[in-house]
Amino acid sequence: GEEVAQTPKHLVRGEGQKAKLYCAPIKGHSYVFWYQQVLKNEFKFLISFQNENVFDETGMPKERFSAKCLPNSPCSLEIQATKLEDSAVYFCASSQLQALYGYTFGSGTRLTVV
Amino acid sequence: QKEVEQNSGPLSVPEGAIASLNCTYSDRGSQSFFWYRQYSGKSPELIMFIYSNGDKEDGRFTAQLNKASQYVSLLIRDSQPSDSATYLCAVIDSGGSNYKLTFGKGTLLTVNP
Repeated sequence: GEEVAQTPKHLVRGEGQKAKLYCAPIKGHSYVFWYQQVLKNEFKFLISFQNENVFDETGMPKERFSAKCLPNSPCSLEIQATKLEDSAVYFCASSQLQALYGYTFGSGTRLTVV
Repeated sequence: QKEVEQNSGPLSVPEGAIASLNCTYSDRGSQSFFWYRQYSGKSPELIMFIYSNGDKEDGRFTAQLNKASQYVSLLIRDSQPSDSATYLCAVIDSGGSNYKLTFGKGTLLTVNP
């Protein structure tokens, strides 16, 4: 399809629980990116993939965050032992090979940790 | 630390006026520059990208880039109430090989009918 599909739209977890978010990129797009938006407008880069391979993971808090993009499956972002500070909207985006021309964002998953 | 700076606003303009949104960036080697529009509670939507010095026009939108001054702007002509949103400036930094966007914190634009 022509949209980046993210599920679920909302996710509520108790502190210490696991959260798993999913993203299906636009068909034919080689790159997948995960961003975290906190405090309304502040975007933080987490990780990117080129096909199934991690391309850049410099933004990932490695102790509790992990991500995968496997063939024929949606990409996933998993947070083990969630903390209150993980509450944010998590956006996935995808782009064609020429990512220098910008990428398309999904509608986001709002994670609330209580 | 590579930074992208925007005035947080709010910027308020009357309907029909020109809205001017500004952005500066710290990485002199930055290659590509983007303006995204984000309505409240929604995802960012790409409006314009520019990578050469000068102006780029698309309908009511004009992006302007001045690499010497490390400055990029977005002009919205004939502003409409539906343009009311947060406008995010984003940059792919030097080398561009990781395709990672660095975002500004956004400028809230309100167009008053």
